[in-house]
Amino acid sequence: DGGITQSPKYLFRKEGQNVTLSCEQNLNHDAMYWYRQDPGQGLRLIYYSQIVNDFQKGDIAEGYSVSREKKESFPLTVTSAQKNPTAFYLCASSMGRYFFGSGTRLTVV
Amino acid sequence: GQSLEQPSEVTAVEGAIVQINCTYQTSGFYGLSWYQQHDGGAPTFLSYNALDGLEETGRFSSFLSRSDSYGYLLLQELQMKDSASYFCAVYLNTGFQKLVFGTGTRLLVSP
Repeated sequence: DGGITQSPKYLFRKEGQNVTLSCEQNLNHDAMYWYRQDPGQGLRLIYYSQIVNDFQKGDIAEGYSVSREKKESFPLTVTSAQKNPTAFYLCASSMGRYFFGSGTRLTVV
Repeated sequence: GQSLEQPSEVTAVEGAIVQINCTYQTSGFYGLSWYQQHDGGAPTFLSYNALDGLEETGRFSSFLSRSDSYGYLLLQELQMKDSASYFCAVYLNTGFQKLVFGTGTRLLVSP
């Protein structure tokens, strides 16, 4: 089945630690995105990539980094510079319609 | 900047009809989309309107008026499983297909 896989589903991070969230798609989409969702809020764009080896900052990129070495993969690193990283992170890919992964819930402990 | 407004919460009973409105202020508008999200789950695509008018897909319909910067999602024959958050989202023509989301409407369907 085609789709987007995010892992892990739940992630706990200590203060000052970097963590990487995985996102893999087998839909053969060029465009991939990372969104952050806070409780009761909409989705805000962190980073996006239109093609392999290229990515752009979204609306809230500070404290995050990404890479796009393969078409199928778009990992997101939440760095220690992100002051409030506790949130629900959603990865998406698109060729017109957006398809979302099931999300990673990150909690700082 | 871009802004989308939709009600924070709507309640209804099973079998009823409910309309969720969305007004937007954006530059480079390309189309309006609706997504459904159950608690803790991924948003799933419901509909897309690029032109004025009504699009119907089963129990769900979506409407767009570009001149009024307004759209709505109509849910008919409500079922308990329709309890979820519904997001309107605007496609912007910014050189790539950027999708900007509203803050969501929580729909509570009661028996």
